[in-house]
Amino acid sequence: EVQLVESGGGLVQPGGSLRLSCVVSGFTFSNHWMSWVRQAPGKGLEWVANIKQDGSEKYYVDSLKGRFTISRDNAKNSVYLQMDSLRAEDTAVYYCARNYLREGAGYFHHYYYMDVWGKGTTVTVSS
Amino acid sequence: EIVMTQSPATLSVSPGDRATLSCGASQSVRSNLAWYQQKPGQPPRLLIYGASTRASGIPARFSGSGSETEFTLTISGLQSEDFAVYYCQQYSEWPPRVTFGGGTKVEIK
Repeated sequence: EVQLVESGGGLVQPGGSLRLSCVVSGFTFSNHWMSWVRQAPGKGLEWVANIKQDGSEKYYVDSLKGRFTISRDNAKNSVYLQMDSLRAEDTAVYYCARNYLREGAGYFHHYYYMDVWGKGTTVTVSS
Repeated sequence: EIVMTQSPATLSVSPGDRATLSCGASQSVRSNLAWYQQKPGQPPRLLIYGASTRASGIPARFSGSGSETEFTLTISGLQSEDFAVYYCQQYSEWPPRVTFGGGTKVEIK
């Protein structure tokens, strides 16, 4: 069974830091791009960042202005989101998600929609 | 950044009826469009990708259409479990900075 389990959320003061983790199982993690998506209370979905299979490429939503860093450890089947200089507007449920991969005879084709999601971890930024 | 706009924000539909949800893109995304369903307290679930291909296990009453800048999700014969929020997402750009629409809530009329 494919599973993504996030952890690391909690209450943090403005200006503080938090590191989210997502451990996956049930598929070959090192073949997939991975993403983080967040959802503020009562609001819609916002893509935050994604990372290539080997970690060599990372992309972020422009509004973060360099405060967040995505990384991965393929040996641990894990993807991370380091969040620094946190603000009240970063309060949200943070979801880890797998990007879809089509495998063929000798090739991989990566797509940037999310076919499997974790249940999310809640981050609250408040004093 | 490609901006995705969904309408209406809320759709009131009776069980058994058809729901038609719209999603527009600020520039062409070709067919690189996905739809997700989200119920309260749950993560999103992939319904449609490639604008019109149902994901694994998705019932045939869900159908997607459109290309370039205009897309539609149709739910035929709404069932009780279909009342939820639906989001569209484009994945057309390179680098892959994807964007979501604001969502359409389908509620019981």
